[in-house]
Amino acid sequence: EDQVTQSPEALRLQEGESSSLNCSYTVSGLRGLFWYRQDPGKGPEFLFTLYSAGEEKEKERLKATLTKKESFLHITAPKPEDSATYLCAVQAEDSNYQLIWGAGTKLIIKP
Amino acid sequence: SAVISQKPSRDICQRGTSLTIQCQVDSQVTMMFWYRQQPGQSLTLIATANQGSEATYESGFVIDKFPISRPNLTFSTLTVSNMSPEDSSIYLCSVSTSGSYEQYFGPGTRLTVT
Repeated sequence: EDQVTQSPEALRLQEGESSSLNCSYTVSGLRGLFWYRQDPGKGPEFLFTLYSAGEEKEKERLKATLTKKESFLHITAPKPEDSATYLCAVQAEDSNYQLIWGAGTKLIIKP
Repeated sequence: SAVISQKPSRDICQRGTSLTIQCQVDSQVTMMFWYRQQPGQSLTLIATANQGSEATYESGFVIDKFPISRPNLTFSTLTVSNMSPEDSSIYLCSVSTSGSYEQYFGPGTRLTVT
């Protein structure tokens, strides 16, 4: 069964303290892995798409990496405005554009 | 990326009534999706709406309860029918354009059923 597991469920960091969020996936052929950021009361905001193992994408303090079994979202020197829930989703090769979603990691950055 | 708006942004409705949620996109898109997100939970796909064809519903969701329209390439509606408190949730519209797999989301509609 295709599934996505994110860890940890919640992460509290001090401002400037770098860390990583994990997204483990099981899918019968990966078409793409997607990272989103969601602020309270808002829709998810698209961050990155990763297609193949070894691929990396960066945006400001965020860097996403992909292996055959998992993806990491690295946050370097985070600021309080990086506080949000980060969602991971995968799309299988045989899907009709459907995404399989993880439960998310709630990130809190304390000033 | 597409700019997506939803109406209403929030509503409080009585049990047994229906609410129609609108999703408008600023450009033509291939596929539109409707999700439900309950408090503290991740996203659950309700249905996929393609222009000119019937919506495709996920397991656990039926057309009588969640009728969907997709009259053109920039607009869709989701109706939540005969509502109960269990329907209280955030309803999200998303779109995917031809040639890309990522989805872009609207701001959501927060529904409370009393």
